[in-house]
Amino acid sequence: AQKITQTQPGMFVQEKEAVTLDCTYDTSDPSYGLFWYKQPSSGEMIFLIYQGSYDQQNATEGRYSLNFQKARKSANLVISASQLGDSAMYFCAMRGLNTGNQFYFGTGTSLTVIP
Amino acid sequence: GAVVSQHPSWVICKSGTSVKIECRSLDFQATTMFWYRQFPKQSLMLMATSNEGSKATYEQGVEKDKFLINHASLTLSTLTVTSAHPEDSSFYICSAGILALGNEQFFGPGTRLTVL
Repeated sequence: AQKITQTQPGMFVQEKEAVTLDCTYDTSDPSYGLFWYKQPSSGEMIFLIYQGSYDQQNATEGRYSLNFQKARKSANLVISASQLGDSAMYFCAMRGLNTGNQFYFGTGTSLTVIP
Repeated sequence: GAVVSQHPSWVICKSGTSVKIECRSLDFQATTMFWYRQFPKQSLMLMATSNEGSKATYEQGVEKDKFLINHASLTLSTLTVTSAHPEDSSFYICSAGILALGNEQFFGPGTRLTVL
């Protein structure tokens, strides 16, 4: 079974500062992928970053980086230099080798960037 | 990048009527599409997996006779909410992906359904 846990229902960050959104997971799949999506108030799901379970390096995409700690089963998202437009819901998701294309989502973290 | 569209973006209907939501992959072929439901301030809950040319696979607790899914082509899947009731009011999102572990799912913009 796959399980994704996001323990921070809400987070606040000052504009231009960095923020870390937590995500832990549990899976029996030997190979899996971890994803972060952003959902602004408009509702669209925006893909941010991907980390494969066998990737040696942490993924980075612009201001987003993923702090992947495989032994701890955590995949925290780090947003650097926060902007007002970063205020949104953030979802961590996982897909396992044995679960086909099915994604499992965490409960989400609501991020508010304060000017 | 891959684009998934949904139509309509919002719909208001009377209780007892049926509503059809379309999900299209615009620039790629999707053998598998997914339908999610999201209540306010909650996560996405997978309702069903839609496979082209075959019956959809529904998650436990999702009524297949109420939420009819048709995946008639590689670019189109439809979700029909039959005999809608106010408790069916929700945000419905579809997604499609390319069959590889590292590829993200591409989400449609969602459909907000309000049943009066």
